[in-house]
Amino acid sequence: QKEVEQNSGPLSVPEGAIASLNCTYSDRVSQSFFWYRQYSGKSPELIMSIYSNGDKEDGRFTAQLNKASQYVSLLIRDSQPSDSATYLCAVSPTDSSYKLIFGSGTRLLVRP
Amino acid sequence: DGGITQSPKYLFRKEGQNVTLSCEQNLNHDAMYWYRQDPGQGLRLIYYSQIVNDFQKGDIAEGYSVSREKKESFPLTVTSAQKNPTAFYLCASRETGTRTDTQYFGPGTRLTVL
Repeated sequence: QKEVEQNSGPLSVPEGAIASLNCTYSDRVSQSFFWYRQYSGKSPELIMSIYSNGDKEDGRFTAQLNKASQYVSLLIRDSQPSDSATYLCAVSPTDSSYKLIFGSGTRLLVRP
Repeated sequence: DGGITQSPKYLFRKEGQNVTLSCEQNLNHDAMYWYRQDPGQGLRLIYYSQIVNDFQKGDIAEGYSVSREKKESFPLTVTSAQKNPTAFYLCASRETGTRTDTQYFGPGTRLTVL
């Protein structure tokens, strides 16, 4: 069973701090990795996608991928109360279905 | 506006009833997906379709059925065989063409069994 694991949290950080969210996956040959943000009662929205080892930056968000260690992380710099949400990690297997396997999400709370 | 629409937003079902959830997209995406989300959990794949008139079961297809007669539409029927259907249902579609497997989600339908 291919799995994606996340700490459920909540992860509580003060406003302005860096929030670090982590995700591990079991399928060694996975190629595509995604972070979605989900506000309570809403649908997931894409934050970042990453395909290669290393860092990918987009504004206050940085995704980090380490395929050898099978983990992907999301850093949020200068955290804002509006960042308070559940962050879902998703991994795409290498078959042609392009299905996504989701972790259960990490709840982030940014304290004003 | 381009996007994915789902209706209704809230749906109440009596035991023994079949209900159909609508999902429409005008993004010209070939692939569409249905997920179920239970409280405090991630999304689980119910069915997916990569092309019109073709669809495959996901991880939790029992008690559900789908059709894909048009590229834009991928309705999901929750049948009476689904024993615990109360959940948040999310439809997604995927870009095709160049190397991309990004899925985008509709706003969701919250189904409650009375």
